[in-house]
Amino acid sequence: TQLLEQSPQFLSIQEGENLTVYCNSSSVFSSLQWYRQEPGEGPVLLVTVVTGGEVKKLKRLTFQFGDARKDSSLHITAAQPGDTGLYLCAGYSGGYQKVTFGTGTKLQVIP
Amino acid sequence: DSGVTQTPKHLITATGQRVTLRCSPRSGDLSVYWYQQSLDQGLQFLIQYYNGEERAKGNILERFSAQQFPDLHSELNLSSLELGDSALYFCASSPRLAGAHIYNEQFFGPGTRLTVL
Repeated sequence: TQLLEQSPQFLSIQEGENLTVYCNSSSVFSSLQWYRQEPGEGPVLLVTVVTGGEVKKLKRLTFQFGDARKDSSLHITAAQPGDTGLYLCAGYSGGYQKVTFGTGTKLQVIP
Repeated sequence: DSGVTQTPKHLITATGQRVTLRCSPRSGDLSVYWYQQSLDQGLQFLIQYYNGEERAKGNILERFSAQQFPDLHSELNLSSLELGDSALYFCASSPRLAGAHIYNEQFFGPGTRLTVL
């Protein structure tokens, strides 16, 4: 069974602070996605990374895929209350791209 | 609005009962995924269908079954319900079947909250 462990599990920070969320596995993934989920809603895709070592930036969010394609990180600069939510990583593997979601990181940004 | 619809939004039932959750994918999407999200847990992948055929299976219990119909809508059937089946059930759709070098964006519906009493 493939597992994706996210850390930290919970994070409460002040507006304007920086933070990093990690997504780690012992398995190799062909691609990895990050989603954000707000209470009462379904997850929404933020980014997909497919190449080992790839870095993608989305405004204040920076995503990195590990060289060995076993881990990923999400860095948020100058967090805002609108960043509050559950962040999920999802790894894809296998011929039909079986997907494994991470354990989730619940972020709260306090104004 | 992702374009994926799920009904009902809330469902309250008793142990031992059977329920059916329905999902309509985005227009044109051929692939449908089902997930279970319990309190304080991440998303557990249950099953995937593509154009009516089962393509991938996750940790889906034998009491659970699903199908995708010719019009591409999908149903998840949960039977002999237990207290532990209480959870949010999400459906997601994507345009195509991801292959070894093709990845998919999944568009999630708003979920069905199932409460088993």
